[in-house]
Amino acid sequence: QQPVQSPQAVILREGEDAVINCSSSKALYSVHWYRQKHGEAPVFLMILLKGGEQKGHEKISASFNEKKQQSSLYLTASQLSYSGTYFCGTADRGSTLGRLYFGRGTQLTVWP
Amino acid sequence: DAGVIQSPRHEVTEMGQEVTLRCKPISGHNSLFWYRQTMMRGLELLIYFNNNVPIDDSGMPEDRFSAKMPNASFSTLKIQPSEPRDSAVYFCASSLPSLAGGPTGELFFGEGSRLTVL
Repeated sequence: QQPVQSPQAVILREGEDAVINCSSSKALYSVHWYRQKHGEAPVFLMILLKGGEQKGHEKISASFNEKKQQSSLYLTASQLSYSGTYFCGTADRGSTLGRLYFGRGTQLTVWP
Repeated sequence: DAGVIQSPRHEVTEMGQEVTLRCKPISGHNSLFWYRQTMMRGLELLIYFNNNVPIDDSGMPEDRFSAKMPNASFSTLKIQPSEPRDSAVYFCASSLPSLAGGPTGELFFGEGSRLTVL
């Protein structure tokens, strides 16, 4: 039930773009994205509740393909501050109310 | 406004000792989660409370782990007896229901309690 994230790690130069993918074997109710910097707590980025939904947060956006049970996080013109580990969290349809499964994370490093 | 407050931030103990981790959720949040983070297993949900009632504890590893939420502003996670494999960062998070009335809204995480069991 844990979603699968890819890639495991990404190294970018400032200004480059990246895509992080999250897929589940279960039918999904919602997808959450969080960013965690080293030694800190995960911080919420966005939640997608409906298939086809897209959202943006600064130059970070995400999409949710309900049929494919997938979500993607898009980081555009990356900044140094984007470095960290990105986690997707998924809530399965039919699972216990409130249960959120997190992927293993994608470590993003942005170099100047 | 204060965020989720966890204590202690760091705990080093010896195998067999009892460990108690504490959490104060954000005022007004009615859902509280305990997660464990390790390199090997990532972020694992241990237990989830809604309105102080445990809803899902299927993630609790074994009987050595117990969690309580005696009131809306306090929760504890206890490990007795502790083992080296319990070493991890334990996060507490709280949330309101999602705006759409769905299962989970935005989670606000505490700074975590780093546990080392020798």
